[in-house]
Amino acid sequence: NAGVMQNPRHLVRRRGQEARLRCSPMKGHSHVYWYRQLPEEGLKFMVYLQKENIIDESGMPKERFSAEFPKEGPSILRIQQVVRGDSAAYFCASTGGTGELFFGEGSRLTVL
Amino acid sequence: AQSVTQLDSQVPVFEEAPVELRCNYSSSVSVYLFWYVQYPNQGLQLLLKYLSGSTLVKGINGFEAEFNKSQTSFHLRKPSVHISDTAEYFCAVSPGAGSYQLTFGKGTKLSVIP
Repeated sequence: NAGVMQNPRHLVRRRGQEARLRCSPMKGHSHVYWYRQLPEEGLKFMVYLQKENIIDESGMPKERFSAEFPKEGPSILRIQQVVRGDSAAYFCASTGGTGELFFGEGSRLTVL
Repeated sequence: AQSVTQLDSQVPVFEEAPVELRCNYSSSVSVYLFWYVQYPNQGLQLLLKYLSGSTLVKGINGFEAEFNKSQTSFHLRKPSVHISDTAEYFCAVSPGAGSYQLTFGKGTKLSVIP
C-alpha cells in the first residue's frame, strides 16, 4: 500500500533551466496539496488541486510556477527558468477527506 | 488570516525527561490543529490532530497535546522522551470546515541527549 510518492527525490538544475516535480497521491485520494520548505523555515502552502482543477493557487508565485493534476497520471509542479531562490524542498500531500493530510518524502531542488 | 508561532526554535532535553513544545496560533475562525514530526530528509508524519471534542488529544509515540481556546495554544507534551524522538516538530492550523490548507509554524528542533 504505497503512500504519497514523489519523484525525483533530488533534482539539480542550473539557473534558467526547468524543474518538473511529480506527485502520485495515495490510492483513492483525489485532493493534492503542494508545499514548499525553505531552509530553516516551516512549510508554506503553494497550491491545492483536485483532478483537472486548480482549487486554490493563492500561495503560488505569480510567474514561472505552474501546477496541474490531470485526469490520468501524477500531479506535476513545474518551475520554469529556475533561480537560486527556488532551491528548497517541495512536498506534496494528499487527502481523501478523513481529517489527515498524508505527505510524501519531498523533492529537494538545488539550483546551481 | 491565520498564523502559528512556535516559541522555541530548539529544545534540548535529557533522555527520559519530560518535554513540552509550545505552539500558539491566531485565527478569526474555528480551526483544526495539528502536530507533525519530520525526521531528517524525510516527509512529515502526523503525530496528532484536534478537530473537535475533547481538548486533550493523544497521538502516536506517547505524545499528547491540549487545545486551549482562551489562550489560543496547542502545546505538545511527552512525559518521557527517547533518543528516537530527536526530530523537528511542526505545529499547524487549518481553517476547519473540511479545509486542509495548513499554515505551519517554523518548527522546533527537539534534541534528546543521552
